[in-house]
Amino acid sequence: DADVTQTPRNRITKTGKRIMLECSQTKGHDRMYWYRQDPGLGLQLIYYSFDVKDINKGEISDGYSVSRQAQAKFSLSLESAIPNQTALYFCATSGDYTDTQYFGPGTRLTVL
Amino acid sequence: RKEVEQDPGPFNVPEGATVAFNCTYSNSASQSFFWYRQDCRKEPKLLMSVYSSGNEDGRFTAQLNRASQYISLLIRDSKLSDSATYLCVVNAHNAGNMLTFGGGTRLMVKP
Repeated sequence: DADVTQTPRNRITKTGKRIMLECSQTKGHDRMYWYRQDPGLGLQLIYYSFDVKDINKGEISDGYSVSRQAQAKFSLSLESAIPNQTALYFCATSGDYTDTQYFGPGTRLTVL
Repeated sequence: RKEVEQDPGPFNVPEGATVAFNCTYSNSASQSFFWYRQDCRKEPKLLMSVYSSGNEDGRFTAQLNRASQYISLLIRDSKLSDSATYLCVVNAHNAGNMLTFGGGTRLMVKP
């Protein structure tokens, strides 16, 4: 079984809809991250969390919110989706004393 | 200016060729450096860390030049399976321990 899982893997939705992307991990890591990837732009950090009570904005948090329900779960919400939020979204985790991040398989989101 | 810059490519090389990618970073406080590999529509995976003295892992060699703020990745004896996008990643520990990703360099190895 994969250590970091994301659901759904693909989603097509319409402008204005609320969308939640979920991430679960079995690595026992405290740190979790949400990124989006657009062609040629690299991964951009949306939000990150260093433990269950810690939530921090990344470089592109506008239009997004997150919830850290447990150590193993970190959800990303788009309250009112817009077309320029069409992208590939990755969740990642890391241990407290290492820089290495482990990524989930990604969610491909299309907003029409 | 992007914090981490890479030539997007694609680099088209024949099997067996040696190919090198460079990456430049703007934050002189950067402390940790990595190359990640990303296959098409898949998640990034750590290929190797980059150490100040340079390091090698099989056919892959990574080097760091702090003075010029660039990182390189050399792949020898290219295989078809090396075809992927290679992401240069930098961690500035004074920036909350966050990773900054380059846009990636695409490599296509042809028979």
